[in-house]
Amino acid sequence: DSGVTQTPKHLITATGQRVTLRCSPRSGDLSVYWYQQSLDQGLQFLIQYYNGEERAKGNILERFSAQQFPDLHSELNLSSLELGDSALYFCASSVRVAGGADEQYFGPGTRLTVT
Amino acid sequence: AQKVTQAQTEISVVEKEDVTLDCVYETRDTTYYLFWYKQPPSGELVFLIRRNSFDEQNEISGRYSWNFQKSTSSFNFTITASQVVDSAVYFCALSEARFNKFYFGSGTKLNVKP
Repeated sequence: DSGVTQTPKHLITATGQRVTLRCSPRSGDLSVYWYQQSLDQGLQFLIQYYNGEERAKGNILERFSAQQFPDLHSELNLSSLELGDSALYFCASSVRVAGGADEQYFGPGTRLTVT
Repeated sequence: AQKVTQAQTEISVVEKEDVTLDCVYETRDTTYYLFWYKQPPSGELVFLIRRNSFDEQNEISGRYSWNFQKSTSSFNFTITASQVVDSAVYFCALSEARFNKFYFGSGTKLNVKP
């Protein structure tokens, strides 16, 4: 158990809908990262937050957005869902922002299925 | 261009064999970090090791060892005397200090047969 929690574990929704994925980092970790893992794209870095502020952006679509709240939990919002958004979404946390130096601890993931 | 290349898509070995997983990276940064993660069938990603670009010392942890060579931009991972529990997908990752972004390779699926 990494100490990172993600809810829900599974999510099934229809195209065009909007969903919110939630992540609670390990106690004491200030950075939260979101990743998408799909069969054809592999593990893709989406976005990073550090202590409530966006710090780095990867291959995140405009239909997706995220935020980190004062209690450090984070939410990833996915809207206008398409079939291709079906994937496993991971959240990870680390202690610092520190130019990527820290190892990240991953949550169990949320499996999103868009039908 | 791929920042991290794991050319071996899938490897199958018999228990107790040694196996090396290759990782080649590409970066122009002088300060960067390399990682290996394990993803067992249960799905979670487990951190194995981190290396920074200034430390080329090889590392051994039990049956695991890592060979970092800047000259060839490689960070290979060897499992000695493999066990069935080593069966997983292994990911190599790169983080560039300047941009604070993470790049994962496509992963190598290791099957260890009894």
